[in-house]
Amino acid sequence: QKEVEQDPGPLSVPEGAIVSLNCTYSNSAFQYFMWYRQYSRKGPELLMYTYSSGNKEDGRFTAQVDKSSKYISLFIRDSQPSDSATYLCALLISNFGNEKLTFGTGTRLTIIP
Amino acid sequence: DAGVIQSPRHEVTEMGQEVTLRCKPISGHDYLFWYRQTMMRGLELLIYFNNNVPIDDSGMPEDRFSAKMPNASFSTLKIQPSEPRDSAVYFCASSFSGQMNSPLHFGNGTRLTVT
Repeated sequence: QKEVEQDPGPLSVPEGAIVSLNCTYSNSAFQYFMWYRQYSRKGPELLMYTYSSGNKEDGRFTAQVDKSSKYISLFIRDSQPSDSATYLCALLISNFGNEKLTFGTGTRLTIIP
Repeated sequence: DAGVIQSPRHEVTEMGQEVTLRCKPISGHDYLFWYRQTMMRGLELLIYFNNNVPIDDSGMPEDRFSAKMPNASFSTLKIQPSEPRDSAVYFCASSFSGQMNSPLHFGNGTRLTVT
């Protein structure tokens, strides 16, 4: 079993819809939870970062963490064509200066105008 | 800030040839990472450096892969000899003071095709 599972999609939704992207994980030692966005032929870039259970909002984006269920989500409200990209969850363990970041395989999202 | 710069953007080579990928991290960043991305396995960490010293190379697939960081502004990833299964996009990333406090900044990758 992979440490981090993410549905690869592809996921296509109409412009303006609410998008829900999800990851599950098996290692309860993960402490920090991130979402990276990757446009085609580009490197990933950090979108959201949180370390606690609950919700964190940034504009149209909301990151949600449920540590008891080992489940994280990214919601995109009022989706735009410019949101079309691959979204990767990334989970971090930090232990006495040693860090391990594990990425999901990514979900490819297309917003249809 | 030019960001992380990788070269070449594309590399096509024949099986058995040596391949060298290059990376210039963001100035002032003291962590440098090499990742490989494929459709099947996603992003995999190959090796990372802190202050030019290799810290964890457990992700390097086998002895055909080697990485160096001779100074704070340059790193190379070498594959010798290359094999078709090495075909992937290779990313270099840098960060300041570890990932707890600073996100990874990725380059745009080198797309490697080994025929």
